[in-house]
Amino acid sequence: AQSVTQPDIHITVSEGASLELRCNYSYGATPYLFWYVQSPGQGLQLLLKYFSGDTLVQGIKGFEAEFKRSQSSFNLRKPSVHWSDAAEYFCAVGAWASSASKIIFGSGTRLSIRP
Amino acid sequence: GAVVSQHPSWVICKSGTSVKIECRSLDFQATTMFWYRQFPKQSLMLMATSNEGSKATYEQGVEKDKFLINHASLTLSTLTVTSAHPEDSSFYICSAKGGLSTDTQYFGPGTRLTVL
Repeated sequence: AQSVTQPDIHITVSEGASLELRCNYSYGATPYLFWYVQSPGQGLQLLLKYFSGDTLVQGIKGFEAEFKRSQSSFNLRKPSVHWSDAAEYFCAVGAWASSASKIIFGSGTRLSIRP
Repeated sequence: GAVVSQHPSWVICKSGTSVKIECRSLDFQATTMFWYRQFPKQSLMLMATSNEGSKATYEQGVEKDKFLINHASLTLSTLTVTSAHPEDSSFYICSAKGGLSTDTQYFGPGTRLTVL
């Protein structure tokens, strides 16, 4: 069965510092992978997605993620965080093999920014 | 493009009443819509998947008679929480798939339901 693990519940980084949020997935075939961001009381915004091709994916707001099949990982990175990046980040895996397609979300990582 | 709206954004109701939440795709036709539930500081849990014109597919453990889903058009899906109780209080989020990218779900802003 598909599953997503985000091992870090809460991360605090200083503004201007680099960021890496970890994500590991479990899926039998080549997965569709996503990173979403959620601000408090808001819906989810898609940061980036990986379906195939180049394993380094560029997203919005300066984020990127790298798909590593050997490690079953899809970690999210940003070279320099801004205070506005404070939010909840969700990694997700999806399968679009049929009309029963759906996304499975990880438990989320809350990012706090230290001034 | 690919904007999804939800109405209302928050609602407070008395125990035993029913509440309807609307999910609309504003600038694309949503072939499939999804309903999620999110408890405080937790992840999103898929409740059901609905395709326009057909019955919704509910996830295991979700009561279909309590959470009625209607997807009557390619731009509108509704979730009705029937005979709501305090334990139904939660953040309900819909998403829609379709439009230019049929492999990506676009999420609504969510609806905060509080049952007194």
